[in-house]
Amino acid sequence: AQTVTQSQPEMSVQEAETVTLSCTYDTSESNYYLFWYKQPPSRQMILVIRQEAYKQQNATENRFSVNFQKAAKSFSLKISDSQLGDTAMYFCALIHGSGNTGKLIFGQGTTLQVKP
Amino acid sequence: GAGVSQSPSNKVTEKGKDVELRCDPISGHTALYWYRQSLGQGLEFLIYFQGNSAPDKSGLPSDRFSAERTGGSVSTLTIQRTQQEDSAVYLCASSLVRFGNQPQHFGDGTRLSIL
Repeated sequence: AQTVTQSQPEMSVQEAETVTLSCTYDTSESNYYLFWYKQPPSRQMILVIRQEAYKQQNATENRFSVNFQKAAKSFSLKISDSQLGDTAMYFCALIHGSGNTGKLIFGQGTTLQVKP
Repeated sequence: GAGVSQSPSNKVTEKGKDVELRCDPISGHTALYWYRQSLGQGLEFLIYFQGNSAPDKSGLPSDRFSAERTGGSVSTLTIQRTQQEDSAVYLCASSLVRFGNQPQHFGDGTRLSIL
């Protein structure tokens, strides 16, 4: 079975500092994609960053970057220069690239509080 | 352009009643997904539709849950004889196609409360 684990239920960071959110996953597939989604209090899930498993280079998107360790099945998210608007719940998610399935498998989420 | 639209935003109903939740995907997106977000279970996949193919219903928790997608666009999730454990936020998402490299775009969700 495929699983995604986020071991940090809550985290906090000072504004302008850097924070790293952890995520590990388990899958027997070789073709898959990993995502980080952000869910602010408005409830809408917003895509933050995406990583293709076949790519060795870590994805970056402005202040957001990932550390993808395929052998360790680890996919952490680094937020640099944290801003108050980054306060939200963050979900790590996995989807397989092949087969007849389109479902995202989510971790339990990490609540991030950015403090002024 | 317009994102995924869900209605109602909030729904309160009595136990035993039927409810319908609506999702209007992004124009041109052929894949549509329903997820449930609850305190005890996190985010769970319910069902997805891809074009005219048979939907993947593997995540529906019971036969009280059903969904349809008319004309390849709008989808309705129906819960019959609601129970208190059905209380959750129901999220809809859409993507261009179902393949993993196409990110899913989510709506704001419907918060369902069963009294």
